[in-house]
Amino acid sequence: SQKIEQNSEALNIQEGKTATLTCNYTNYSPAYLQWYRQDPGRGPVFLLLIRENEKEKRKERLKVTFDTTLKQSLFHITASQPADSATYLCALEYGNNRLAFGKGNQVVVIP
Amino acid sequence: SAVISQKPSRDICQRGTSLTIQCQVDSQVTMMFWYRQQPGQSLTLIATANQGSEATYESGFVIDKFPISRPNLTFSTLTVSNMSPEDSSIYLCSVDRDRGRETQYFGPGTRLLVL
Repeated sequence: SQKIEQNSEALNIQEGKTATLTCNYTNYSPAYLQWYRQDPGRGPVFLLLIRENEKEKRKERLKVTFDTTLKQSLFHITASQPADSATYLCALEYGNNRLAFGKGNQVVVIP
Repeated sequence: SAVISQKPSRDICQRGTSLTIQCQVDSQVTMMFWYRQQPGQSLTLIATANQGSEATYESGFVIDKFPISRPNLTFSTLTVSNMSPEDSSIYLCSVDRDRGRETQYFGPGTRLLVL
């Protein structure tokens, strides 16, 4: 069956350090992979998209990698700040721009 | 960019009733999507709404429960019919990502609580 797995345990990290989140998937062949931020009770906010032929994408303090052989994406927040505390969702595009989401991984940045 | 608005932003409903959620986009789009997020769960695609044709539903979702309208290229509605407490969720509208764009847009969501 198709699965998208993100760590269910919250990541607690000291301010200024790099937070790294993992998204693993099975039985998908996505051409695109996206990452979102979601705050409690709110809709997801798009952060980054990476294509299957891109190894790495950066945007400000964010970095995403995409390894189609390992079927894995890594999401990094460098120089983390308390305002980065949120849940981060991984999403795969599977045909006609439809998205399949992971459950998300909570990040708590400790001042 | 695409700005998406949804109405209502939240509602509390009684079981057995129906609620229609509206999604308005500030530009014409080919496809609109409806997702839901049940408490503690991931977002799940309900259906794709295409203008001029019937919506396409994902496995586990049926038209009788979630009828969708798409009267034009900027507007869609999702109705949650004969509601039960299990329908308590955030319902989200999204639009197709133009291949030239690398940004995906979602509406702010409709928070529904069914008593």
